[in-house]
Amino acid sequence: GQQVMQIPQYQHVQEGEDFTTYCNSSTTLSNIQWYKQRPGGHPVFLIQLVKSGEVKKQKRLTFQFGEAKKNSSLHITATQTTDVGTYFCAVRRSGGTSYGKLTFGQGTILTVHP
Amino acid sequence: GAGVSQSPRYKVAKRGQDVALRCDPISGHVSLFWYQQALGQGPEFLTYFQNEAQLDKSGLPSDRFFAERPEGSVSTLKIQRTQQEDSAVYLCASSLERGAGNSPLHFGNGTRLTVT
Repeated sequence: GQQVMQIPQYQHVQEGEDFTTYCNSSTTLSNIQWYKQRPGGHPVFLIQLVKSGEVKKQKRLTFQFGEAKKNSSLHITATQTTDVGTYFCAVRRSGGTSYGKLTFGQGTILTVHP
Repeated sequence: GAGVSQSPRYKVAKRGQDVALRCDPISGHVSLFWYQQALGQGPEFLTYFQNEAQLDKSGLPSDRFFAERPEGSVSTLKIQRTQQEDSAVYLCASSLERGAGNSPLHFGNGTRLTVT
């Protein structure tokens, strides 16, 4: 089945430090989406990556999709306390038969100390 | 109008009871998904609807779990004879396009189910 590993599981940073989370798949991906879930909240869509080697930026957030479409990363520059939450990648396997199944990683829990 | 609406927000059930969880997706959204999220874990896929058709139910953990979306809008997830391991947050999401990963998933606030 679809395996997607997300690392690290936890990350504690001081405000102003950078943060990166990685998502790795054992199979080639059709595309990848990233979500953020605040404590007590629900996942909120951040971005979707489709093309091999794609890089997208949203203010302090930079998203990358690997050349082989098997891995992705989310990098936050100069973290702020508002960045606190759990970041999930979500994938659908390329060529898979499960048309409706979006598999989420276990998430990286980010804590930002002021 | 509003986003995805789920009810109830919290549900406490005694072991063995049946429960029904409701999801009202964003109007016009073709796809509807149910996920189960245990504490500290990522959402786990349960089932997928395209309009009224349940195209994927591979994530339903047992035959005690049943979902429907009879008119292609509101969906209900039913759990029969609840057990303690069913305790989790049940998230509903909808998206505009067909299939998973083609457009953003819009999640509801979830129903937190506690089985005692």
